[in-house]
Amino acid sequence: AQSVTQPDARVTVSEGASLQLRCKYSYSGTPYLFWYVQYPRQGLQLLLKYYSGDPVVQGVNGFEAEFIKSNSSFHLRKASVHWSDSAVYFCAVSATGNTGKLIFGLGTTLQVQP
Amino acid sequence: AQTIHQWPVAEIKAVGSPLSLGCTIKGKSSPNLYWYWQATGGTLQQLFYSITVGQVESVVQLNLSASRPKDDQFILSTEKLLLSHSGFYLCAWSLGGADTGQLYFGEGSKLTVL
Repeated sequence: AQSVTQPDARVTVSEGASLQLRCKYSYSGTPYLFWYVQYPRQGLQLLLKYYSGDPVVQGVNGFEAEFIKSNSSFHLRKASVHWSDSAVYFCAVSATGNTGKLIFGLGTTLQVQP
Repeated sequence: AQTIHQWPVAEIKAVGSPLSLGCTIKGKSSPNLYWYWQATGGTLQQLFYSITVGQVESVVQLNLSASRPKDDQFILSTEKLLLSHSGFYLCAWSLGGADTGQLYFGEGSKLTVL
């Protein structure tokens, strides 16, 4: 069965600092991996996705993530965070199929301090 | 461009009262449609999905039902609300056919059951 673990429920960083949000997945096949962001009282927006190819994928607003198959990880990174990056970040994994069933992690709340 | 609209934005309802939440997708024909539920501060859980008009599959039993009366409309409802139904309900769509799991979310409906 698929599962996603985001070990950090909350991360606090200072504005301008670098960021890494951790994500580990469990899936026996080749996963499709996603990072979504949720701003307060809003729906989720896609940051980036990995299907195949280059294991480092670039997303919006300077975010990137690296797929490391040997470690079953898909950590999200950003070189320099801005206060507007404060939000909840969800890692998700999906198998191929018509249902497009996405399994989400519990989310990591990012607080950027000015 | 595709747009997804959810209504109402927020509801406060009494235990035992009925509920209807709606979702409309414009600009995309025959999408796959999904309802997700998010407890306060929690992760997202898929409730229902539909790949075509009139067909809805239940993923989790939560005393809720869903219907797809038109290609672009997805309705979530119950005749009797429970306290445990409180949370944030998100409608989403994905491409039909070769589905890669990427979802496009609406802004959500916040439900408070008292």
